[in-house]
Amino acid sequence: NAGVTQTPKFQVLKTGQSMTLQCAQDMNHEYMSWYRQDPGMGLRLIHYSVGAGITDQGEVPNGYNVSRSTTEDFPLRLLSAAPSQTSVYFCASSYFSGTGGQTLHFGNGTRLTVT
Amino acid sequence: DAKTTQPTSMDCAEGRAANLPCNHSTISGNEYVYWYRQIHSQGPQYIIHGLKNNETNEMASLIITEDRKSSTLILPHATLRDTAVYYCIVRVRETSGSRLTFGEGTQLTVNP
Repeated sequence: NAGVTQTPKFQVLKTGQSMTLQCAQDMNHEYMSWYRQDPGMGLRLIHYSVGAGITDQGEVPNGYNVSRSTTEDFPLRLLSAAPSQTSVYFCASSYFSGTGGQTLHFGNGTRLTVT
Repeated sequence: DAKTTQPTSMDCAEGRAANLPCNHSTISGNEYVYWYRQIHSQGPQYIIHGLKNNETNEMASLIITEDRKSSTLILPHATLRDTAVYYCIVRVRETSGSRLTFGEGTQLTVNP
């Protein structure tokens, strides 16, 4: 198993450009999520999904869109990039038991710079 | 949402036990305590989780107080590779799903 795969690893955008960060998992996990991590800070939840066709907002959803058309893929779209979105983005997945006990598997991150 | 409080940083000598505390005084009865760590520039890594009882796995032990208001992660024999930021997280249950909210964590530095 490859686990959680994120592409690209690095990306530089100009203000106003749009792009999609890709995330794929091969573990048949129902739950997937996106976090951002700014320098010296913890992770903040952007969006998450508990299954195909279902998405919900996290702590910092503004400026980002997600969709979940398949169990495997959970792309994150930046609609109009801003310098404030310069960050490292992590995708994570897990089984969703619904009763507790949920361990996240993280990708290695996408390092995004917006100039 | 139950919040957690951790020290900003800790040091530990190589080969000694590292004890990382976490306060979660507003935890609800059905919320789990999770520990993750993040080695520099990598994605976070799951360590252990528990509800009420103490837990142990190949990486660490988790001690939860009887009132569940605090917990301690124990790395029994810390190595240099254990230098990382350690996150204590309380699982938040939402009506439409669930999410794990990360705080700022504890920077553990293991010294030779």
